[in-house]
Amino acid sequence: AQKITQTQPGMFVQEKEAVTLDCTYDTSDQSYGLFWYKQPSSGEMIFLIYQGSYDEQNATEGRYSLNFQKARKSANLVISASQLGDSAMYFCAILYTGGGNKLTFGTGTQLKVEL
Amino acid sequence: ETGVTQTPRHLVMGMTNKKSLKCEQHLGHNAMYWYKQSAKKPLELMFVYSLEERVENNSVPSRFSPECPNSSHLFLHLHTLQPEDSALYLCASSQELAGTYGNEQFFGPGTRLTVL
Repeated sequence: AQKITQTQPGMFVQEKEAVTLDCTYDTSDQSYGLFWYKQPSSGEMIFLIYQGSYDEQNATEGRYSLNFQKARKSANLVISASQLGDSAMYFCAILYTGGGNKLTFGTGTQLKVEL
Repeated sequence: ETGVTQTPRHLVMGMTNKKSLKCEQHLGHNAMYWYKQSAKKPLELMFVYSLEERVENNSVPSRFSPECPNSSHLFLHLHTLQPEDSALYLCASSQELAGTYGNEQFFGPGTRLTVL
């Protein structure tokens, strides 16, 4: 069974600062993918970044980077140069190829960017 | 602009009503999903369709009935719902069903459902 843990229910960061959102996972599968999604108050889930379990380099997408530590089973999201528009709920998710393309989500972290 | 649209965006219904949620994807994807997002709970996968065939049914009550007439459209038919079914219902699609690389799921804006 897959499990995703996000231990920070809420985070505050000042504009232009960097912030790290924690995510740990539990899986016995060797092949899996880790995803981060952003959900603004409008409700839509926006895909941010992907890390494959066999990828040796940390994924980066613009201001987003994923600090992937496979041995520790962690996949923290780093947002650099925070902007007010980054205020949203952030979800970490794991997907394994064991059938059904089942994406398992964590409980999310509410990020608030302040001036 | 999202490639996945959902209608209606908001729905209020009584427990005896019958309604349907609609999802349409314009991305040429082969797999579509229904998720339920309740307050303070992780997203729950409800149904998975691949090439119009249902491949996953996550112990969802029969008062929720999905329909996938083609690879671009997905419906969720609702009847005799309970107040605890009030939630945000999200539709998603992905290129394929198998594999993880580049197979991220793209979500629609959701339907906020309230059952009175």
